Amino acid sequence: KNQVEQSPQSLIILEGKNCTLQCNYTVSPFSNLRWYKQDTGRGPVSLTIMTFSENTKSNGRYTATLDADTKQSSLHITASQLSDSASYICVVSFNNDMRFGAGTRLTVKP
Amino acid sequence: KAGVTQTPRYLIKTRGQQVTLSCSPISGHRSVSWYQQTPGQGLQFLFEYFSETQRNKGNFPGRFSGRQFSNSRSEMNVSTLELGDSALYLCASSRRDSPSTDTQYFGPGTRLTVL
Repeated sequence: KNQVEQSPQSLIILEGKNCTLQCNYTVSPFSNLRWYKQDTGRGPVSLTIMTFSENTKSNGRYTATLDADTKQSSLHITASQLSDSASYICVVSFNNDMRFGAGTRLTVKP
Repeated sequence: KAGVTQTPRYLIKTRGQQVTLSCSPISGHRSVSWYQQTPGQGLQFLFEYFSETQRNKGNFPGRFSGRQFSNSRSEMNVSTLELGDSALYLCASSRRDSPSTDTQYFGPGTRLTVL
């Protein structure tokens, strides 16, 4: 069954700290994996896109990694800011379909 | 460059009615995808249109349909509304130069409430 699971479900960290969000998938055949950031009440914003051959991709303070063998991805946020408070969604594409993770709700506190 | 726009932003309908949502993609983008987002199910893919043709379709009943016009604008229609159709409907556009690595840009969404 093609599924995407994210952990943790929610996370609270202090401003300036780093954190790592996890995404495990059982999707096959794999096409690409995307991480999105979604602020409350807004549409998602693309952070990174990775294909099978890529194992790391950075976008500013966001760094995504992909291990296609273990079917795991992580999103590392460095030196968190209050504006990082949002839901982070992992999306895996396969064939002409896609599966969304339930998201990790990140709260950054001052 | 203007972003993806969706109209209306909010909509209230009653069961059994039908609804049409509109999406205007970023200028130059030829692909428009639609998604449904609910607290219980999260984000789910509805369908994608490219050059006026439906390219991909998610696992939704036939009550959900869409179309794309020659100017890439897209509409989504839901007939015979059910309470469970209450959701945020998101539209995303992309250039579709490279399907596997294309960046999608989302609109703000249309919040549909079915009473």
